[in-house]
Amino acid sequence: GNSVTQMEGPVTLSEEAFLTINCTYTATGYPSLFWYVQYPGEGLQLLLKATKADDKGSNKGFEATYRKETTSFHLEKGSVQVSDSAVYFCALSKSNDYKLSFGAGTTVTVRA
Amino acid sequence: SAVISQKPSRDICQRGTSLTIQCQVDSQVTMMFWYRQQPGQSLTLIATANQGSEATYESGFVIDKFPISRPNLTFSTLTVSNMSPEDSSIYLCSALDRAGNTIYFGEGSWLTVV
Repeated sequence: GNSVTQMEGPVTLSEEAFLTINCTYTATGYPSLFWYVQYPGEGLQLLLKATKADDKGSNKGFEATYRKETTSFHLEKGSVQVSDSAVYFCALSKSNDYKLSFGAGTTVTVRA
Repeated sequence: SAVISQKPSRDICQRGTSLTIQCQVDSQVTMMFWYRQQPGQSLTLIATANQGSEATYESGFVIDKFPISRPNLTFSTLTVSNMSPEDSSIYLCSALDRAGNTIYFGEGSWLTVV
């Protein structure tokens, strides 16, 4: 079946530091890949997505590239801010049913 | 894009009671889903809400415990029946937009069972 393995947290960074959250997946066929973010006390928001190999999703300074050869979709941001403190979830869905399988989530705290 | 509204946003429920969560989407969508997020955990799919027919449940979830309705393209309800403290979770509604590109989530309904 489909599964997502996400880097264990929590992660604590200083402002302007570089952030990487690793995500690898197991799936048959060609899934779509997503990063969702959950800010404290809020619901889930789509951060970025990629639907085919070598696609790069980007939003709010975050980027992730769909790497089929390494089955990975690592999230990166070059310079984090305190407002980036949140829980980040990597997820995938098969193209034919749109059911999302989520990673465990990574809690990121950015300190001023 | 699709904006998804859920009611209630939070509630404290008595053990043994049932609560119905409503999900309203501001535009017609194709598929709708219900997820559960237990405290400190990731999200788990409960079921796919099918318009005009019975929901399709994932392994470990049953209709008697989580009855779901979807009478039209923009509205769905999830009932959590005979609640116990183990049902304390965030319940999230999600929907696939008509273009079939993006899955959106509501802000969640935070239930605490005492």
